[in-house]
Amino acid sequence: QSALTQPASVSGSPGQSITISCTGTSSDVGSYNLVSWYQQHPGKAPKLMIYEGIKRPSGVSNRFSGSKSGNTASLTISGLQAEDEADYYCCSYAGSSTSVFGGGTKLTVL
Amino acid sequence: QVQLQESGPGLVKPSQTLSLTCTISGGSISSGTYYWSWIRQPAGKGLEWIGRIYTSGTTNYNPSLKSRVTISLDTSKNQFSLKLSSVTAADTAVYYCAADGYNYWFDPWGQGTLVTVSS
Repeated sequence: QSALTQPASVSGSPGQSITISCTGTSSDVGSYNLVSWYQQHPGKAPKLMIYEGIKRPSGVSNRFSGSKSGNTASLTISGLQAEDEADYYCCSYAGSSTSVFGGGTKLTVL
Repeated sequence: QVQLQESGPGLVKPSQTLSLTCTISGGSISSGTYYWSWIRQPAGKGLEWIGRIYTSGTTNYNPSLKSRVTISLDTSKNQFSLKLSSVTAADTAVYYCAADGYNYWFDPWGQGTLVTVSS
């Protein structure tokens, strides 16, 4: 069970859109629509932003959206705002009732 | 919504057993609404799923930690616990407990507790 692969960092200007990728294998991301995404600000606990690949919890802005193609899931943030600057982590079901996280991506709002 | 709070020693000696407890408020641990997970994060690094426990008491663990991890439930105290044996400095991390949705998402999370492994 290897960690999912995310870019170490992405950046964008306010108002722009960015996409964070999360690449796994046919044993995890590719086999299940069970990817979740988390936002973590420094010193804080992670916050669920997307679950089951595309669903948004109540209270999460519709600027956040999720998708998947093959073994790669993606998180897109549109209309980038300063408050979106944070670390983002993907997580996937990996079979046998186990979960695996990505290495995390630091989003910088320029 | 349920709230979770981790507790336990902040310092553990190498080779000893790390023990943490997660106390749930605002709901019953045995309601069947959630499973319950432990997740950790070394300083400056990413998240690592440790394991989960179901209301039946059935557990599933990260294969890389399976030989050292035990997660248990105490329904009378509305708590679940983590034990990690034979710890080394590599186990130094912030440890989070989280409510585990039926489709393997985590929400909400506890605030996290730092455990340092050092003599």
